[in-house]
Amino acid sequence: AQRVTQPEKLLSVFKGAPVELKCNYSYSGSPELFWYVQYSRQRLQLLLRHISRESIKGFTADLNKGETSFHLKKPFAQEEDSAMYYCALGTYSNYQLIWGAGTKLIIKP
Amino acid sequence: DGGITQSPKYLFRKEGQNVTLSCEQNLNHDAMYWYRQDPGQGLRLIYYSQIVNDFQKGDIAEGYSVSREKKESFPLTVTSAQKNPTAFYLCASSTSGTGGQPQHFGDGTRLSIL
Repeated sequence: AQRVTQPEKLLSVFKGAPVELKCNYSYSGSPELFWYVQYSRQRLQLLLRHISRESIKGFTADLNKGETSFHLKKPFAQEEDSAMYYCALGTYSNYQLIWGAGTKLIIKP
Repeated sequence: DGGITQSPKYLFRKEGQNVTLSCEQNLNHDAMYWYRQDPGQGLRLIYYSQIVNDFQKGDIAEGYSVSREKKESFPLTVTSAQKNPTAFYLCASSTSGTGGQPQHFGDGTRLSIL
């Protein structure tokens, strides 16, 4: 079965420290992986997807098929990064996105 | 401002009452989705529609109903059969109904019981 696991419900780091939000997935085929972010009082929005290989707001995520992971990283956290982050798995053989439970990121000043 | 519009922002339901949540998109997307968001549980799919006049149940469809008569509209009815309707409801759309496409979200509707 397809599954996405975000092991941390809450992650708290100091401003300027590196951030890594973990995402592990289970799927035997070729996955499409996404990170979504929900800032306070804003709508859920796409942060990045693995096929674009972009860096958005300083965040990057690399798909590691061997470890079935898609961790989100940022070298220096900023206070405005505080938000809820969701990892999602999609496949072209399925019409759904499979969502992780989310990680709440708090950046302390 | 293009995108997805959900209304109302807040909704209250009385016992035994059906309520309908509105979702409209002007992105010309074929696929639309309804999710329920509860604290600590992420997003759970209620219904999805790949094209007009077609929709499928998601993981938690019991107590909910939808229609897709127009491409831009996908209303969700929370029926009295849904015994625990208090939640945040999110509508989304994507260019096609495959999991490989990113989804765009509305601002959500918060439903509470009176």
